[in-house]
Amino acid sequence: GAGVSQTPSNKVTEKGKYVELRCDPISGHTALYWYRQSLGQGPEFLIYFQGTGAADDSGLPNDRFFAVRPEGSVSTLKIQRTERGDSAVYLCASSLAGRRETQYFGPGTRLLVL
Amino acid sequence: QKEVEQDPGPLSVPEGAIVSLNCTYSNSAFQYFMWYRQYSRKGPELLMYTYSSGNKEDGRFTAQVDKSSKYISLFIRDSQPSDSATYLCAMSVGNTDKLIFGTGTRLQVFP
Repeated sequence: GAGVSQTPSNKVTEKGKYVELRCDPISGHTALYWYRQSLGQGPEFLIYFQGTGAADDSGLPNDRFFAVRPEGSVSTLKIQRTERGDSAVYLCASSLAGRRETQYFGPGTRLLVL
Repeated sequence: QKEVEQDPGPLSVPEGAIVSLNCTYSNSAFQYFMWYRQYSRKGPELLMYTYSSGNKEDGRFTAQVDKSSKYISLFIRDSQPSDSATYLCAMSVGNTDKLIFGTGTRLQVFP
């Protein structure tokens, strides 16, 4: 069965560049979450979608970060003017509506900003 | 002080041992309590979740929640080398859908 997929698996970019990270949730899961995990730390919440709308974006660190989910399925996390401190693993998770306790994670995208 | 505290380890045990992994928390509004397992360079894998105080068992794993002490545990019986991974506790905040994670405990089970 298909789990959450994320592309690319690795992304290397230069400081100041723009990047897009993609998440494809489990089929039928209307809730989608983005987290960021730094080395030696647990995942840190960024944003949550229910359907097409961002229901909670309180974890986005600043206005360089933006995420969309235009058709309620695939989501893209966009980072403008990347900084070295943005280097981390970006994780996507999905769940059935209202089932926050059963979030299933993808493998993550490893972002390295040089 | 972090909302969720978890000893980073590493914890090294022989095969067959009983492992106890723990987290403490400070926010009384936490509702659901989850345990995830994360292998190196992989995404977290949901092991178990609980809602109320008490125990929940699934195979070799038992999750325990003590809301009065703000303390949760995961016990692994008959540990196997394949259990070697980082174990993350996570908690949901009230009626929000975001999870707050501990830093993870690295477990190594040696043959």
